[in-house]
Amino acid sequence: DTGVSQNPRHKITKRGQNVTFRCDPISEHNRLYWYRQTLGQGPEFLTYFQNEAQLEKSRLLSDRFSAERPKGSFSTLEIQRTEQGDSAMYLCASSPGAGRMNTEAFFGQGTRLTVV
Amino acid sequence: RKEVEQDPGPFNVPEGATVAFNCTYSNSASQSFFWYRQDCRKEPKLLMSVYSSGNEDGRFTAQLNRASQYISLLIRDSKLSDSATYLCVPSYSGAGSYQLTFGKGTKLSVIP
Repeated sequence: DTGVSQNPRHKITKRGQNVTFRCDPISEHNRLYWYRQTLGQGPEFLTYFQNEAQLEKSRLLSDRFSAERPKGSFSTLEIQRTEQGDSAMYLCASSPGAGRMNTEAFFGQGTRLTVV
Repeated sequence: RKEVEQDPGPFNVPEGATVAFNCTYSNSASQSFFWYRQDCRKEPKLLMSVYSSGNEDGRFTAQLNRASQYISLLIRDSKLSDSATYLCVPSYSGAGSYQLTFGKGTKLSVIP
């Protein structure tokens, strides 16, 4: 499967614990995005990488959230001291960043986080 | 004004019907436009990119009016499998910035 891959698919954690999610983008896609989606809402932008550089972060991304893309390939999103309000689907997407279709973004299946 | 506004629906239509969704966006600097579909508890999937004044892909036709900041999606001959939420997505690219901005989506139910 050459699509965007996210792990784990589901995560249940106790409030106050740290969690880390991984995203493997489509090979050779330069751009990688993290979004968060709650029930009944559209995906909300969290952060964006161009290769290994994190170029933009939403104000939604509090200091408990950190994202990395160390070698410009896979990315991780870590949430420290989780809160019940962090419960959501965390979506990763990637796009080529070059060429005619450079802005078309493709999503992974997401990681569904439940904080209890 | 919200960045992307869509009628949440639901639109309940019989099989074979034609249905149209509308979307307005507030960022006049938006450069690329997309329609995604999202099934319940699944990830958004790219349905169509919207080019210049519009384009067609099989039963789906997308229109763009930059002056009015308005995008539409027309689905002809609706199938049961078209039942989903349709997300209007303008994108903006600036200095060091790139964002896809999602609306809440329009829910479509195609009824036998």
